[in-house]
Amino acid sequence: DQQVKQNSPSLSVQEGRISILNCDYTNSMFDYFLWYKKYPAEGPTFLISISSIKDKNEDGRFTVFLNKSAKHLSLHIVPSQPGDSAVYFCAASDSSNTGKLIFGQGTTLQVKP
Amino acid sequence: GAVVSQHPSWVICKSGTSVKIECRSLDFQATTMFWYRQFPKQSLMLMATSNEGSKATYEQGVEKDKFLINHASLTLSTLTVTSAHPEDSSFYICSAPSSSGTVTYEQYFGPGTRLTVT
Repeated sequence: DQQVKQNSPSLSVQEGRISILNCDYTNSMFDYFLWYKKYPAEGPTFLISISSIKDKNEDGRFTVFLNKSAKHLSLHIVPSQPGDSAVYFCAASDSSNTGKLIFGQGTTLQVKP
Repeated sequence: GAVVSQHPSWVICKSGTSVKIECRSLDFQATTMFWYRQFPKQSLMLMATSNEGSKATYEQGVEKDKFLINHASLTLSTLTVTSAHPEDSSFYICSAPSSSGTVTYEQYFGPGTRLTVT
């Protein structure tokens, strides 16, 4: 039972354009969402997060949007840079505060120069 | 930011042997740490929650006798893969949460350990 889904395994965009990565979830108890960036053979690094009480959080070139009614969130990167090329994981946690994260399958982003 | 280290970064062992992987929080204390495994081109799957001073909590389907977890101090958790088999070959990653008060925020991940069982 995949509670967090990233249905696009890969995405390719041109440098300078916008990258939009999508994530859907099924568990309505999730109340905190995070995006991580991962390079091969390395651990994930935290990118940006959003609480369920918000619908948008912005940090520089990265913006995360949350649509609770649709159980959908997206990560926007603009402008995209070649150094953004990596695997992006969306993750979710619930209000039980155990700290456990449930990850999506990941989307490989390639930004072409 | 907070740093989590893992050792070794990669290990090759023979089938039937045991392998220990260490996870350390370098500049903060972590009463809880998490262990994940990732197969190629797949998601990170939570294996267990490591609790300092008490038993680990394992996710459904994870064999506690095979994946021994010890969280002996506030900065160290170890995962021992006992009687390893080729199907245990994977990328093992640990993490520790960054907490503020009673709310747990994002986690800091170690660099991962690549285990290959021959």
